Amino acid sequence: GESVGLHLPTLSVQEGDNSIINCAYSNSASDYFIWYKQESGKGPQFIIDIRSNMDKRQGQRVTVLLNKTVKHLSLQIAATQPGDSAVYFCAENAGGYQKVTFGTGTKLQVIP
Amino acid sequence: DAGVIQSPRHEVTEMGQEVTLRCKPISGHNSLFWYRQTMMRGLELLIYFNNNVPIDDSGMPEDRFSAKMPNASFSTLKIQPSEPRDSAVYFCASSSNSGRWDEQFFGPGTRLTVL
Repeated sequence: GESVGLHLPTLSVQEGDNSIINCAYSNSASDYFIWYKQESGKGPQFIIDIRSNMDKRQGQRVTVLLNKTVKHLSLQIAATQPGDSAVYFCAENAGGYQKVTFGTGTKLQVIP
Repeated sequence: DAGVIQSPRHEVTEMGQEVTLRCKPISGHNSLFWYRQTMMRGLELLIYFNNNVPIDDSGMPEDRFSAKMPNASFSTLKIQPSEPRDSAVYFCASSSNSGRWDEQFFGPGTRLTVL
């Protein structure tokens, strides 16, 4: 078995507050950047994506910001709810338009 | 809409045994992906298919792993022989193939334990 695992950074926020999850990506040639949410025992679920020619995109309660200068991606969740508790992964489609590379993830804990 | 279907949901087997994981993609999707998730390595792409043809298998760890897609509605990932280090959650995902990046829809995963 595995005795050493990835240490997931954890973000704890109070219900109703805004959450900001950050991600550093590696490939400046990536065309799309994607955020996925994974709840315990389930597969990753798409949240939002952003193309490299944009720096901001908004969805329902979520905003993704892209800073290509420093290769940084962030996901902002407004009015965080208990149902937002999950692990959030950023991903980039480096190496082809379908091939997606996932980051290590951030665990979001919402405190009621 | 049933989503991506994977079976079995859980598999416990002994080292040396053959394991076959199954996936049914979303109807109409023509790209299929197999991922493996472990605490050690996170979520890794193993292989993906377009129109039933393997496009990139560079993530397949070794020859013990093989994947097939005999038709548009079915794929298998086989491990023979299995080893304890293969223990992981294996996800299948599917997407349409429009010539740009398309959202990948994930199945619920198969949790494999090799004793």
